[in-house]
Amino acid sequence: EPEVTQTPSHQVTQMGQEVILRCVPISNHLYFYWYRQILGQKVEFLVSFYNNEISEKSEIFDDQFSVERPDGSNFTLKIRSTKLEDSAMYFCASSDQDRAGQPQHFGDGTRLSIL
Amino acid sequence: AQSVTQLGSHVSVSEGALVLLRCNYSSSVPPYLFWYVQYPNQGLQLLLKYTSAATLVKGINGFEAEFKKSETSFHLTKPSAHMSDAAEYFCAVSDRRNRDDKIIFGKGTRLHILP
Repeated sequence: EPEVTQTPSHQVTQMGQEVILRCVPISNHLYFYWYRQILGQKVEFLVSFYNNEISEKSEIFDDQFSVERPDGSNFTLKIRSTKLEDSAMYFCASSDQDRAGQPQHFGDGTRLSIL
Repeated sequence: AQSVTQLGSHVSVSEGALVLLRCNYSSSVPPYLFWYVQYPNQGLQLLLKYTSAATLVKGINGFEAEFKKSETSFHLTKPSAHMSDAAEYFCAVSDRRNRDDKIIFGKGTRLHILP
């Protein structure tokens, strides 16, 4: 069964550094998402992306965050200048919403640790 | 705004006993509802989804959930717990009006299986 893949599985970065999290969504999916889960807390929506532009973003997704689909397969999340509070598990998801009610499929996540 | 409330951050059941994880939702429009499971150090896996067909939804691993509009509930059940069911379970809702709508997650319920 096709799956969403995320790399790296764990990223350790110094505070203030830029970080790029990478995702390969399921190939025929059209909608892409990033979520994050701070340790011990619930999964929170960050941003949705369709047709090469952001569809919706949450309050968390400030100017330090950006997303890009640089080619036909990858979907990236960039944090320009990381802060300690950015430490979390980041999940990428994709969906084929051309049919109503299609669920989002999640990757295994990238654990981001900011030192 | 949509939201979900999961009653009980931790639930413990004996192996072979009934599993019942409670979820109530709030939505101004008929929602899509989901249950996701997260095993330790893994991503989110879809257990089942409700998209307005049958109100009793069967999912993977013997789980099922019943949509009750009058009670705004979508509780998850399994007749007989297995040790491998130990995980965190998230109830989630999305807005069926928008194809690319984000998923709103509950805070999660950690299920412990007692031998």
